[in-house]
Amino acid sequence: GAGVSQSPSNKVTEKGKDVELRCDPISGHTALYWYRQSLGQGLEFLIYFQGNSAPDKSGLPSDRFSAERTGGSVSTLTIQRTQQEDSAVYLCASSLEPGTSYEQYFGPGTRLTVT
Amino acid sequence: KQEVTQIPAALSVPEGENLVLNCSFTDSAIYNLQWFRQDPGKGLTSLLLIQSSQREQTSGRLNASLDKSSGRSTLYIAASQPGDSATYLCAVQEGSNYQLIWGAGTKLIIKP
Repeated sequence: GAGVSQSPSNKVTEKGKDVELRCDPISGHTALYWYRQSLGQGLEFLIYFQGNSAPDKSGLPSDRFSAERTGGSVSTLTIQRTQQEDSAVYLCASSLEPGTSYEQYFGPGTRLTVT
Repeated sequence: KQEVTQIPAALSVPEGENLVLNCSFTDSAIYNLQWFRQDPGKGLTSLLLIQSSQREQTSGRLNASLDKSSGRSTLYIAASQPGDSATYLCAVQEGSNYQLIWGAGTKLIIKP
C-alpha cells in the first residue's frame, strides 16, 4: 500500500492569504499527526487526530491555524492570513491506533513559503 | 516540560569508522524513543524505534540503546559509509496526544 501523501509539495503564497495543506494517511491508520519544521525552531508538534477528533488543539501556534479530518482519513491544515513566520515544512504522519502500534509514518511534507 | 538534546550538533568522520550519536531527554515518562534520518530537502525516514520497556534495537549496521532511567539513548553506526551522510533526529513519544518531542538533530558527514 501507499505511504502517507501530502499535497501540495510546495506552496508559495503572499502574506495575508489563506492556504490549505492536505494529508492522506496510510489506509487503516486511525491516528494522524501534524508537525512543523522551521529554520531555527526544529520540529514541533501541532495537532493529533484520533479518528475525526482532535482532543487537544493547544499545539497549534495561533488561532489562525485550524485542522480538520473527515471520514477518519484525509486531513486538512488551514492557515488563515499567512505571515512570514509561517514559512516552514509541514509534515503529516499517521499510525495505527496508539496502544497497538505507536510508530508514526511520515509523509514527504509541504514546503510553505510566505512572501 | 520534556526537552530532548542531541550531541554533537555536527560530526564529520572518515568512511569506515564506527560512530556514536547521543540523545538525552529530561522526562522518563515516554512510550518510546525513535531515531530518524533526514536527507537534505527530503522527508523523514524512521530508522529504529525502541519501546520504553526495551533496552536496544538493531537494524543492519545500526544499533540503538535506551536507558530510560538516566534519560539517554545512543545510536551506534558501524562501518560508516558516505551514504550515511544525513541529519539524524531523535524523538520521544509521550503524553495524551502521543506526540513526538524532537531533538535538534546531529548533522553527520562521512568523508570518502
